[in-house]
Amino acid sequence: GAVVSQHPSWVICKSGTSVKIECRSLDFQATTMFWYRQFPKQSLMLMATSNEGSKATYEQGVEKDKFLINHASLTLSTLTVTSAHPEDSSFYICSAKIAGGPSIYNEQFFGPGTRLTVL
Amino acid sequence: DAKTTQPPSMDCAEGRAANLPCNHSTISGNEYVYWYRQIHSQGPQYIIHGLKNNETNEMASLIITEDRKSSTLILPHATLRDTAVYYCIVRGGPFRNRDDKIIFGKGTRLHILP
Repeated sequence: GAVVSQHPSWVICKSGTSVKIECRSLDFQATTMFWYRQFPKQSLMLMATSNEGSKATYEQGVEKDKFLINHASLTLSTLTVTSAHPEDSSFYICSAKIAGGPSIYNEQFFGPGTRLTVL
Repeated sequence: DAKTTQPPSMDCAEGRAANLPCNHSTISGNEYVYWYRQIHSQGPQYIIHGLKNNETNEMASLIITEDRKSSTLILPHATLRDTAVYYCIVRGGPFRNRDDKIIFGKGTRLHILP
């Protein structure tokens, strides 16, 4: 149980285009989802916290107009990289927390990641 | 600021116990120690967590010092598949609010040698 999927697993796009990445909780409902970015040889950097039905909270230094996050349902959050440029090439990872009151383990379940390459 | 300090890399022979240290001298009374690992090009995987008592599960053991300022993750019989980056994280434990975030440090890159 507690499986999180991401789609696509990898994507290549041209500079200036927008790319949407989906994060789904497959067998549980997630009130809160998180988006991370990871550059090669570096650690995961938290980009934003996404709560279902409300606006995402972005970490300092993350451009909210460039990284659009939508969390329209309890099982789906999307991250759209708008007007992507080569410097946006990275590994994007989402995680999800179980909804429905306190989580016994306060656990986040991570997706497998999406590798974005902008040419 | 990072709440934990870990060595950047470690080697361990296959079949041996891998002992990964973590310093968290500023941990507060209600914070837990969590360990995750990330195998190359995959999402992080939860390993174990604890408050003050030693913990063991099917993956690993967690030893927390009595003053809670440091801990050690033990993989009892390391295999090549345990090669990964291991993250020690201090955060709120069970029953925290839904916005409790996981902030990753640099972790320890563990190489299991054949």
